[in-house]
Amino acid sequence: DSGVTQTPKHLITATGQRVTLRCSPRSGDLSVYWYQQSLDQGLQFLIQYYNGEERAKGNILERFSAQQFPDLHSELNLSSLELGDSALYFCASSVGPPGYNSPLHFGNGTRLTVT
Amino acid sequence: KNEVEQSPQNLTAQEGEFITINCSYSVGISALHWLQQHPGGGIVSLFMLSSGKKKHGRLIATINIQEKHSSLHITASHPRDSAVYICAVRNTGNQFYFGTGTSLTVIP
Repeated sequence: DSGVTQTPKHLITATGQRVTLRCSPRSGDLSVYWYQQSLDQGLQFLIQYYNGEERAKGNILERFSAQQFPDLHSELNLSSLELGDSALYFCASSVGPPGYNSPLHFGNGTRLTVT
Repeated sequence: KNEVEQSPQNLTAQEGEFITINCSYSVGISALHWLQQHPGGGIVSLFMLSSGKKKHGRLIATINIQEKHSSLHITASHPRDSAVYICAVRNTGNQFYFGTGTSLTVIP
């Protein structure tokens, strides 16, 4: 058990809708990362937060947004959903700030299906 | 253009064999991660490397910064090692790049 909790495990929704994915990091970890894994593009880095602040941005679409709250949990909001957004969304956490290399701890992922 | 290349894409081995998975990258990195993903989908971080070599049980990971290359070795492979192994690098700008993964099947 990594200590990282992601909810929900599965989500099925229709095109055009908006969903929120939630991640609680491992106790003591201040950094949260979001990744997308799709069949055609593999794993892609979306965004990183450290102690409530956005610190690095990857291939995150403008329709997607994220935030990290004072209790360090994070939410990834996906809006105007398209069929191509169907994927596994992983959250990971680590103890260190950007520039400090520390191991990643992954949640079990949220499987999003857009119909 | 892929910043991270892994080989082989697929690998089948007999139980007990020594296995090597290779990863080459083209960006300057602050760290390289080896990840394991089982058929259920969950991802486990096996190693984080910025230099040298690390060992955990039957798994060994090495990195050569000058050659921009890393290897993951599994000694005395076992069917429970069957999984997808993914190489990921974090560059100096805090971006992550992932290889496409090596699917390993170990036959009893």
